[in-house]
Amino acid sequence: QKEVEQDPGPLSVPEGAIVSLNCTYSNSAFQYFMWYRQYSRKGPELLMYTYSSGNKEDGRFTAQVDKSSKYISLFIRDSQPSDSATYLCAMTDYKLSFGAGTTVTVRA
Amino acid sequence: EAGVTQFPSHSVIEKGQTVTLRCDPISGHDNLYWYRRVMGKEIKFLLHFVKESKQDESGMPNNRFLAERTGGTYSTLKVQPAELEDSGVYFCASSQGLRGSTDTQYFGPGTRLTVL
Repeated sequence: QKEVEQDPGPLSVPEGAIVSLNCTYSNSAFQYFMWYRQYSRKGPELLMYTYSSGNKEDGRFTAQVDKSSKYISLFIRDSQPSDSATYLCAMTDYKLSFGAGTTVTVRA
Repeated sequence: EAGVTQFPSHSVIEKGQTVTLRCDPISGHDNLYWYRRVMGKEIKFLLHFVKESKQDESGMPNNRFLAERTGGTYSTLKVQPAELEDSGVYFCASSQGLRGSTDTQYFGPGTRLTVL
């Protein structure tokens, strides 16, 4: 069983839609949860970072963590074509463990 | 401020050859990490330097891989001899080291290695 499970998609939505991404994990030692965005031929870029269970908002992005269910989510509101990228969840107790990444396309 | 840089961006070699990848972290970052993504799989941790010392190399696949970090600055990852299964994208990341494992890691663009 993988430590971090993430549906690779692909996911295609129209501009303005809400994008919903999620990951599950098995390691209870994970304490910090991140979402990275990766554009083609680029390295992952940190988007959101959370520590405890609950919600964290940053502009159009909302990250949710439910430690009891070992489940994290990322929501993108009012999605734009520039949001088209691969989104990777990652978590750490010391070193990063990544999900497989979900490829998202926002259609204009 | 320059980000993490990696060289080369792409390398194509034949099985049995040697390849050396280079990573220049953000200036002043004590922590340097190597990760790898093979086709269809998730990004996997390889190893972690704190300055010039290897803190954790538990992710290194085998002894064909050798990582060094000269003087705590840039790092190299040598694969010798390369095998077909070594193909993938090798990422380097660096972080300041102020908060240990919770530091934000900044990633380079990666080196795409193809072993034929």
